Amino acid sequence: AQSVSQHNHHVILSEAASLELGCNYSYGGTVNLFWYVQYPGQHLQLLLKYFSGDPLVKGIKGFEAEFIKSKFSFNLRKPSVQWSDTAEYFCAVNAKEGGGYQKVTFGIGTKLQVIP
Amino acid sequence: EAEVAQSPRYKITEKSQAVAFWCDPISGHATLYWYRQILGQGPELLVQFQDESVVDDSQLPKDRFSAERLKGVDSTLKIQPAELGDSAMYLCASSLRTGSLETQYFGPGTRLLVL
Repeated sequence: AQSVSQHNHHVILSEAASLELGCNYSYGGTVNLFWYVQYPGQHLQLLLKYFSGDPLVKGIKGFEAEFIKSKFSFNLRKPSVQWSDTAEYFCAVNAKEGGGYQKVTFGIGTKLQVIP
Repeated sequence: EAEVAQSPRYKITEKSQAVAFWCDPISGHATLYWYRQILGQGPELLVQFQDESVVDDSQLPKDRFSAERLKGVDSTLKIQPAELGDSAMYLCASSLRTGSLETQYFGPGTRLLVL
């Protein structure tokens, strides 16, 4: 079964600082990888996704993530965070189960607090 | 832009009572998911439908939880009887089809508080 690990549960940064949130997964087959964001009081929104091709993917609001297959990692980055980036970030892995259907597994989430 | 609809947004109930949540996926989305998100954790899959059929309910506590998607469109998740530990956010998501890997789109969720 697949699993997802997010290493940082709570991150506090000052505005303009650089961000990197770690995500590692365990699954031997083909996966799709996602980062979702949940702003305070709002529902989960897709930030970016990797399906195939260029392992460096760019998402909304200046976020990017790099898929490193050899490390089973999909870390999220942003060069300069803003106060409005304060939110909870979830890494997710999508893989095919034995019955041919897809199954999505989420990490525990990382709460990011950006201090003005 | 089409969205996944859920109702109610909030529900307060007493333990041992029955509760039901409703979800209407994005039109044309064949796959529907119910997740439970306990405070401080990531969403956990409860049940997954492909059209009207259940493809994964391995994490659904079947002694008290049930889910149906009778016509392969909207879905209802029921808890009977509710327990204190069921307090959580219940999320519905949909994707275009299974058989290939698809992006999920989430609804706003139903926040349940069991007293």
